[in-house]
Amino acid sequence: GAGVSQSPSNKVTEKGKDVELRCDPISGHTALYWYRQSLGQGLEFLIYFQGNSAPDKSGLPSDRFSAERTGGSVSTLTIQRTQQEDSAVYLCASSLVGIGGEKLFFGSGTQLSVL
Amino acid sequence: LAKTTQPISMDSYEGQEVNITCSHNNIATNDYITWYQQFPSQGPRFIIQGYKTKVTNEVASLFIPADRKSSTLSLPRVSLSDTAVYYCLVGARDSSYKLIFGSGTRLLVRP
Repeated sequence: GAGVSQSPSNKVTEKGKDVELRCDPISGHTALYWYRQSLGQGLEFLIYFQGNSAPDKSGLPSDRFSAERTGGSVSTLTIQRTQQEDSAVYLCASSLVGIGGEKLFFGSGTQLSVL
Repeated sequence: LAKTTQPISMDSYEGQEVNITCSHNNIATNDYITWYQQFPSQGPRFIIQGYKTKVTNEVASLFIPADRKSSTLSLPRVSLSDTAVYYCLVGARDSSYKLIFGSGTRLLVRP
C-alpha cells in the first residue's frame, strides 16, 4: 500500500482479555517501530524491529506485552490480560534509511480502550 | 541518547512566522535532527530533517547552529491548519535504534 496500515483502527475490550494489533509497513521498509501514546501525552517507545529481529525489548511496559514480525513485513503487537492502564493509541511506524538520517512514516494508530 | 527539550506550548496568529527551538545538548556526531507534526487522531508526519546549517523545503526551514546543540523549526506565515503538536527528534540508526520523542510543542494558531 501507499502508507503504513494499522488494524483495527479502534478496539474496545474487557479487562483481562487478550488483544492483537496489526501493522503493515510500507513495502521495502526494513525497520519497524511501535509507540504508545496516552491521551494528551507524548509518544512512548515500545519496540523496534530490524527485519524480523527486535534487538531490545526493554521498552515494552510489562511481560504482558509482546511483539513479533514475520517475513520482514507485518508486525503484531499482543497485549495479554489487558488492564485499564493499557488504554491508549498504539502507533506503528516504518522507516527508510537513505542519504541523510532516518525518516519515520506512521500509521494512523489503533485506539485501544479497556473497559 | 540525545535528550531533547522543547517549549510545552506556543501561541501565534495567522500570517505570522513561528519559530520553535529544540535543545539537544548531548547530540552525537552521527545524529540527525528531525521534526514531526502531529494532528489529533493521526500519527506524526515528517516535516523536515537536517544535520547542520540550514535546510529548507516547501513547508518549513530548519536552522542548526555550528555546535548543533539546538535547532529551530521555522514555519513561515502560519495558518489555522498549522495548529498541531511539533516534535523534535534527534538520533541515528547507528547510534541508537530507540528513537525517543520528546514532549513536543503544542502550537495554537489563532485567527
